[in-house]
Amino acid sequence: AQSVTQLDSHVSVSEGTPVLLRCNYSSSYSPSLFWYVQHPNKGLQLLLKYTSAATLVKGINGFEAEFKKSETSFHLTKPSAHMSDAAEYFCVVTLYSSASKIIFGSGTRLSIRP
Amino acid sequence: EAGVAQSPRYKIIEKRQSVAFWCNPISGHATLYWYQQILGQGPKLLIQFQNNGVVDDSQLPKDRFSAERLKGVDSTLKIQPAKLEDSAVYLCASSPRTRNTIYFGEGSWLTVV
Repeated sequence: AQSVTQLDSHVSVSEGTPVLLRCNYSSSYSPSLFWYVQHPNKGLQLLLKYTSAATLVKGINGFEAEFKKSETSFHLTKPSAHMSDAAEYFCVVTLYSSASKIIFGSGTRLSIRP
Repeated sequence: EAGVAQSPRYKIIEKRQSVAFWCNPISGHATLYWYQQILGQGPKLLIQFQNNGVVDDSQLPKDRFSAERLKGVDSTLKIQPAKLEDSAVYLCASSPRTRNTIYFGEGSWLTVV
């Protein structure tokens, strides 16, 4: 069965320190992988996507993610957290078989300490 | 490029009343999605359209929810009658094809009292 697991429901880091949000997926097919961010009372904004090109993907606001097929992971990182990064982050997998299927992770809430 | 437009942004209704949400996808996007996001949870797909045909409505509570996408562009999601548990954000999204990036609107926030 296909699934997406975000390993942490809540991550708290200090401003200026690195951010790591973890995502693992399970898929029998070649997936496309996305990270979306949702700030309070806002819709989902695309941060970055992996679609079988370079395994290291750079996104907006200094975020990047690396696709590791052997580990079935797509972790999101940022070298230095900013207060404005506080938000909910969703890992999303789209699976292409007879019918496309989109699977959301449960989300990780990122808090930034001053 | 204009994004996905949704209206109304906020709605408060009493239970058993009806409500309708409207979505205008990005121009040229063939695929349109309606998601329900309950506070503290990830979005749940309600219905997916490809042009004006339904691709997936397996999680749409058809006894009270309905959606249409006339002419393959705008879409309307209706709830009738509303229940307390329908309080959520209703997100509309679109993509150029089913195998592509999904772009979300700001959402329509529904509170049922």
